[in-house]
Amino acid sequence: KQEVTQIPAALSVPEGENLVLNCSFTDSAIYNLQWFRQDPGKGLTSLLLIQSSQREQTSGRLNASLDKSSGRSTLYIAASQPGDSATYLCAVERSGNTPLVFGKGTRPSVIA
Amino acid sequence: DAMVIQNPRYQVTQFGKPVTLSCSQTLNHNVMYWYQQKSSQAPKLLFHYYDKDFNNEADTPDNFQSRRPNTSFCFLDIRSPGLGDAAMYLCATSRGGRGSGANVLTFGAGSRLTVL
Repeated sequence: KQEVTQIPAALSVPEGENLVLNCSFTDSAIYNLQWFRQDPGKGLTSLLLIQSSQREQTSGRLNASLDKSSGRSTLYIAASQPGDSATYLCAVERSGNTPLVFGKGTRPSVIA
Repeated sequence: DAMVIQNPRYQVTQFGKPVTLSCSQTLNHNVMYWYQQKSSQAPKLLFHYYDKDFNNEADTPDNFQSRRPNTSFCFLDIRSPGLGDAAMYLCATSRGGRGSGANVLTFGAGSRLTVL
């Protein structure tokens, strides 16, 4: 059974520092991995999707890497801003059109 | 413009009183999902529909049912809510099939259920 872990659950960084968020999964046979952002009391917003054949994806200040063999993905947010404070969840898909398995998320606080 | 709309955003019910949450989408996506999310927890999949094909997760309580009368709408019915059913309920859609973006999920804002 696939398990997704995100450690730590929360962290604080000063504004301007790069954020590094970790995600690990137990079964390396994945179809894709997605990163989501969730603001308090809201739904999830898709940030990046990495196919199993890819090693990274970039969108603006966000960069996500994928190392299937070690069961890890990392989301980097460059030059963090207070508006980046939210919960970031990663999720993996085992094969096409199968439901995602989510981690519990990491909640960074960016302090001005 | 919101593409996945959930109503109501906040629902308060009494223990045992049935509740229906609704989800509508303007994306014409084939797949619709219902997730339950409790505080500081990962979203937990309850059901999903691929077109009209219904898929129930093995550990979804019998208390929870779903309907999808057409492509645009999906409903979550909780027949006899207990205190443990208080949570945020998230609806999501995806295009499905193959190709780029097929599995990208679009979420609604959620419906927060309180059980008194």
